[in-house]
Amino acid sequence: DIVMTQTPLSSPVTLGQPASFSCRSSQGLVHSDGNTYLSWLHQRPGQPPRLLIYKISNRFSGVPDRFSGSGAGTDFTLKISRVEAEDVGVYYCMQAAQFPYIFGQGTKVEIK
Amino acid sequence: EVQLVQSGAEVKKPGESLKISCKGSGYDFTNYWIGWMRQMPGKGLEWMGIIYPGDSDTRNSPSFQGQVTISADKSISTAYLQWSSLKASDTAMYYCARRARLGELSLRAFDVWGQGTMVTVSS
Repeated sequence: DIVMTQTPLSSPVTLGQPASFSCRSSQGLVHSDGNTYLSWLHQRPGQPPRLLIYKISNRFSGVPDRFSGSGAGTDFTLKISRVEAEDVGVYYCMQAAQFPYIFGQGTKVEIK
Repeated sequence: EVQLVQSGAEVKKPGESLKISCKGSGYDFTNYWIGWMRQMPGKGLEWMGIIYPGDSDTRNSPSFQGQVTISADKSISTAYLQWSSLKASDTAMYYCARRARLGELSLRAFDVWGQGTMVTVSS
C-alpha cells in the first residue's frame, strides 16, 4: 500500500499570516489515465471532513481562494495565504490513484 | 440539495451484529461511488472501502477485509456498512462519502459527506 506522510503533525499559526502543510507519498500518484489523484480535506472539531482541493490543485466549489494546492510526483503542499479563525482543525491529504485509498495522518492547525 | 444522511448512533455489546446506513438524496445515487471511512476517537481518517451502487462493485481495504461488509440497495438509494461480530476496537465514528464526478469524469475525491454514525461497543 502507498504510505502518506504529512508534516508537521501540529502547526500553530498566526491569524492573517500564511501557512503551508506538506504531504508526501511513498510512491508516485499518477493514475494510468494520466491524472494525479491527490486531494486535501479539512475537518473542524465535531464535524465531518469537507473537500478543499482535488487533483493536486483544483479548488472545490465554494472553497475560498486563500487555499491553494501544488506539487507533483510524491511531494504535495497545501497553502493558506492568510489564515482565518475558521481555518482551525485538521487537514488531511488523501491519495486515490490506486486502491486502497489512503489518508495522511493529518496536520492539526491551531491559532497561536 | 445533495446530501448523505446516516443512521443514528449505536451502542452495542461485543459479539453483537450491526448494520448502519447512508441514504443519498438530491442526485443520481446509482452513478456515484460511495466510500466508508472510520475515525477512531481522537484519531485520523481511515479508508475502509467503496461501493458503486449501480452494480454493487465493491473494493475493500485489506485492513478491513473480512471485518466488515459493504453493500448497497440502489432501489432506496442507501449504502450500508455491517459487522457480524463487533469488538470493542470497532468503537469509532463512521462516515460515508460520495466520490465526486465532473460530468463523466471521476475526480477521485470525496465531495459530499454524511454527518457520521458513532458506534460504541462496550460490555
